Amino acid sequence: DAGITQSPRYKITETGRQVTLMCHQTWSHSYMFWYRQDLGHGLRLIYYSAAADITDKGEVPDGYVVSRSKTENFPLTLESATRSQTSVYFCASSGSVGLRNQPQHFGDGTRLSIL
Amino acid sequence: AQKITQTQPGMFVQEKEAVTLDCTYDTSDPSYGLFWYKQPSSGEMIFLIYQGSYDQQNATEGRYSLNFQKARKSANLVISASQLGDSAMYFCAMRGDNNNDMRFGAGTRLTVKP
Repeated sequence: DAGITQSPRYKITETGRQVTLMCHQTWSHSYMFWYRQDLGHGLRLIYYSAAADITDKGEVPDGYVVSRSKTENFPLTLESATRSQTSVYFCASSGSVGLRNQPQHFGDGTRLSIL
Repeated sequence: AQKITQTQPGMFVQEKEAVTLDCTYDTSDPSYGLFWYKQPSSGEMIFLIYQGSYDQQNATEGRYSLNFQKARKSANLVISASQLGDSAMYFCAMRGDNNNDMRFGAGTRLTVKP
């Protein structure tokens, strides 16, 4: 089915470990985004990408790394996980034409717990 | 900088009644889009409705309508004939021409009572 898929859905890891969250979309959307959702903060943007090989920081980028070698994939890596990165992570994508009226379409989220 | 404010952490409504969820925003962009998303307890984010800043009419999508008051910088979501399945978190968001990202409010938790 077409859409946006995230994996894994749930992940438990330990502090200091590297963990990568995957995101794949089949719409050929040029824009992709990573958000984290924490109680009381709504969704906060970590990184986004306007096209393959183009990425930029969002509101809360520290401790995260992204890459986008292919249009359809946008992995998010926590290079050395900390407890403060325990959160629910959402990937989203959108088209680029008429940017301001393009809704973002979200994956189902990854619930990440760091012990 | 863009900012979205949702002042109602939680709202209750009786089944079959209408409810308004508040959203105010601040931006320096001359044109922008306003969005509402629903997040049920299962966790996914569902796009509900969109309003463009230059749209002359308020947006409607089924039982959802957006009460857009540009001068007051408000974009309230109105849900008519509430159903039990409307119980969820609702997020207001904005995206401007000069911004690649979308800014979200903190959300309002709506509970529909039978």
